[in-house]
Amino acid sequence: GAGVSQSPSNKVTEKGKDVELRCDPISGHTALYWYRQSLGQGLEFLIYFQGNSAPDKSGLPSDRFSAERTGGSVSTLTIQRTQQEDSAVYLCASSSYGMAWQFFGPGTRLTVL
Amino acid sequence: AQSVSQHNHHVILSEAASLELGCNYSYGGTVNLFWYVQYPGQHLQLLLKYFSGDPLVKGIKGFEAEFIKSKFSFNLRKPSVQWSDTAEYFCAVNSNAGGTSYGKLTFGQGTILTVHP
Repeated sequence: GAGVSQSPSNKVTEKGKDVELRCDPISGHTALYWYRQSLGQGLEFLIYFQGNSAPDKSGLPSDRFSAERTGGSVSTLTIQRTQQEDSAVYLCASSSYGMAWQFFGPGTRLTVL
Repeated sequence: AQSVSQHNHHVILSEAASLELGCNYSYGGTVNLFWYVQYPGQHLQLLLKYFSGDPLVKGIKGFEAEFIKSKFSFNLRKPSVQWSDTAEYFCAVNSNAGGTSYGKLTFGQGTILTVHP
């Protein structure tokens, strides 16, 4: 596609439920990143994929968070047993081979009630 | 570890005023520097980038930034702002993570710019 796409755009869930957030990177981009944007915390890195492997998972806040990437393309971020502090906008970005900057998607706004 | 500090949380200007947004970073090695912009209701977009060479870089929409290595700074400037520049601006850094891989971006807290017509 022309840009990074994410789905859903909005997700409202109840505390304790699991959620899955999806990211479709720009076609051909080998690197994929997940970030979280919340009030008071700014933009925080979560995890980075190069192809299907994740050389940097250092930003995942707890073991309730996991992510995978298949076929070197689509990625899913899963949050288990959601908590209210997980409420945020989850951003996905991608970049091409040898590219230092990243293209961002529109984000998924997650609200945990 | 990398860190980025933006000096101003909220800047309010009138149209035609000059703009300078401060950004300082902390990192011991070679960094790549970026300014991203997020217009209301839109996603993050790259405004400009610096890797090496001329420390004065020009980006889109008349923005420019100057890298001052001795001050670990990368301030964003525009001589004359427009109402359409109202947005949130983020300074960010990354570094080479090995080979052609650049790893995560570390962002500043962001500066909200409001331009009054």
